[in-house]
Amino acid sequence: GESVGLHLPTLSVQEGDNSIINCAYSNSASDYFIWYKQESGKGPQFIIDIRSNMDKRQGQRVTVLLNKTVKHLSLQIAATQPGDSAVYFCADQAAGNKLTFGGGTRVLVKP
Amino acid sequence: DSGVTQTPKHLITATGQRVTLRCSPRSGDLSVYWYQQSLDQGLQFLIQYYNGEERAKGNILERFSAQQFPDLHSELNLSSLELGDSALYFCASSLGTSSGGYTFGSGTRLTVV
Repeated sequence: GESVGLHLPTLSVQEGDNSIINCAYSNSASDYFIWYKQESGKGPQFIIDIRSNMDKRQGQRVTVLLNKTVKHLSLQIAATQPGDSAVYFCADQAAGNKLTFGGGTRVLVKP
Repeated sequence: DSGVTQTPKHLITATGQRVTLRCSPRSGDLSVYWYQQSLDQGLQFLIQYYNGEERAKGNILERFSAQQFPDLHSELNLSSLELGDSALYFCASSLGTSSGGYTFGSGTRLTVV
């Protein structure tokens, strides 16, 4: 469901390592999923999306994995860079309905 | 530039006052969404408009209201402001109401003193 005032969990990762951010969704009717990146003081920016007829989609240094059986979504970032430090939000959507955002995960990249 | 324009970028006002935040959606988008984000927290959905009509309502206080005009720009009105209303307010737009992502603006930072 919608985020409800939770403080953000944080993932600390060494520069150059791979990052994995996990997200659970609750609506079994959701058929579209998206990851956003939000840098400090800025609006969320689209990273990658996936539809329910796929279980994996790759972009530039990012991969999204979808497991509909357990309603789980993950974002993998390869060779994490300092510019990847941000808050990452997942969102899911059932056809005709609005996006439902997860609570967000803060990624901190250590040099 | 995402194509979604929000003004003003920053706003400082006193408790009890009323402010209006403005959003111009990306060209061609008919849906507008408003979100509130308090410090270090997630995105709280407030309200959605589609082609001038209210489509969905979230955790929006009665002191808050919004509308979407014929030219598709939207305004979020916040009245009787309280200290706790200090937050980032984001507008997002999308083409329609079926599946697809939203494009976010850069937000309005509201500070109530």
